[in-house]
Amino acid sequence: QKEVEQDPGPLSVPEGAIVSLNCTYSNSAFQYFMWYRQYSRKGPELLMYTYSSGNKEDGRFTAQVDKSSKYISLFIRDSQPSDSATYLCAMSAPNSGGSNYKLTFGKGTLLTVNP
Amino acid sequence: KAGVTQTPRYLIKTRGQQVTLSCSPISGHRSVSWYQQTPGQGLQFLFEYFSETQRNKGNFPGRFSGRQFSNSRSEMNVSTLELGDSALYLCASTKGQGAGNTIYFGEGSWLTVV
Repeated sequence: QKEVEQDPGPLSVPEGAIVSLNCTYSNSAFQYFMWYRQYSRKGPELLMYTYSSGNKEDGRFTAQVDKSSKYISLFIRDSQPSDSATYLCAMSAPNSGGSNYKLTFGKGTLLTVNP
Repeated sequence: KAGVTQTPRYLIKTRGQQVTLSCSPISGHRSVSWYQQTPGQGLQFLFEYFSETQRNKGNFPGRFSGRQFSNSRSEMNVSTLELGDSALYLCASTKGQGAGNTIYFGEGSWLTVV
């Protein structure tokens, strides 16, 4: 079983739709959860970062973490064509000093928002 | 604030050759890590350096190596290149101390092995 599972899609939605992206994980040591957006032929760009169960909102983006179910989600409201990209979930566990520096990624979900 | 800078952006090498990729982290960041991204395997952790010391290594053969300099800049090297080494190699930097550090990625170096 992979440590992090993410539905690869592809996912195609009309402009203005609400998008839901999800990841599950098996390693209960994961404490930090991130969502990255990656445009074609570019590096991953950090979108959201959370470290506790619950919701975190930033503009049109909401990250949700449920540690009891080992499940994280990213919601995009009022999706725009410029949101078309691959979305990667990532997570990490703290080392003995409390720092985190190694990310385990999902495979990524390719999202297309059609005008 | 300048981001993570990687050079070269694109390169083509022949099987059996070796390659060196360079990464300059965000100013003040002391931790540099490297990832390999392929369509089949996704993003996989290669290794991480902090204050010139390798702290962790992923599950890659010994042909993959790296180092970090006193100014936190890092290089990774792949020797005896194989076709399967064709990938996007990403460098990421973080402050490296304290809980929950934010990790930032560079644009990557696209390596094609022919």
